Amino acid sequence: GQQLNQSPQSMFIQEGEDVSMNCTSSSIFNTWLWYKQDPGEGPVLLIALYKAGELTSNGRLTAQFGITRKDSFLNISASIPSDVGIYFCAGGPNTGTASKLTFGTGTRLQVTL
Amino acid sequence: KAGVTQTPRYLIKTRGQQVTLSCSPISGHRSVSWYQQTPGQGLQFLFEYFSETQRNKGNFPGRFSGRQFSNSRSEMNVSTLELGDSALYLCASRRTGGGEQFFGPGTRLTVL
Repeated sequence: GQQLNQSPQSMFIQEGEDVSMNCTSSSIFNTWLWYKQDPGEGPVLLIALYKAGELTSNGRLTAQFGITRKDSFLNISASIPSDVGIYFCAGGPNTGTASKLTFGTGTRLQVTL
Repeated sequence: KAGVTQTPRYLIKTRGQQVTLSCSPISGHRSVSWYQQTPGQGLQFLFEYFSETQRNKGNFPGRFSGRQFSNSRSEMNVSTLELGDSALYLCASRRTGGGEQFFGPGTRLTVL
């Protein structure tokens, strides 16, 4: 099945550092979502983006919907130990009619003290 | 407001058996989608149900089926289980017209 290209695949950073990850697609999406998943749990929604060029923040998290609608970026500022987990991007169709999400390959984040 | 719930959380089956997984969406959400997560293929869309009708389907064989009830609860069935069906099966619900999908904790299926 299709997966979006997400990079980096994994990151090892120190507490307090900023983190950037991105997601690219060969197809256009009308919705971009970012999720975090802890081991053995379902993905938890972090940020939702609905317009090309949109920049949205949620606390220390900031995400952008690429102007071409084929990419998205997530930044985490001043990382803390609880940021550890796997981050997934997901591209979606028009919000009103369908739910099929195409997920990225994931970025595994490790935070050291 | 309670989140998406899935039962059971863990399941062990043998090849050839069938299995039924259950999902209760967030109250008021009428759209329920199912996803399969494996280390090799990642998160893959299975199907979506809305108002008891399948509205969208991913690229999975016919052994994978689902249904939705009038209270929006959904079940997913896998028949003639294969080893490769071992995965975390996730259910997500969405409110009508909304773009955000909220996931349940998943059912971990192991096929021996």
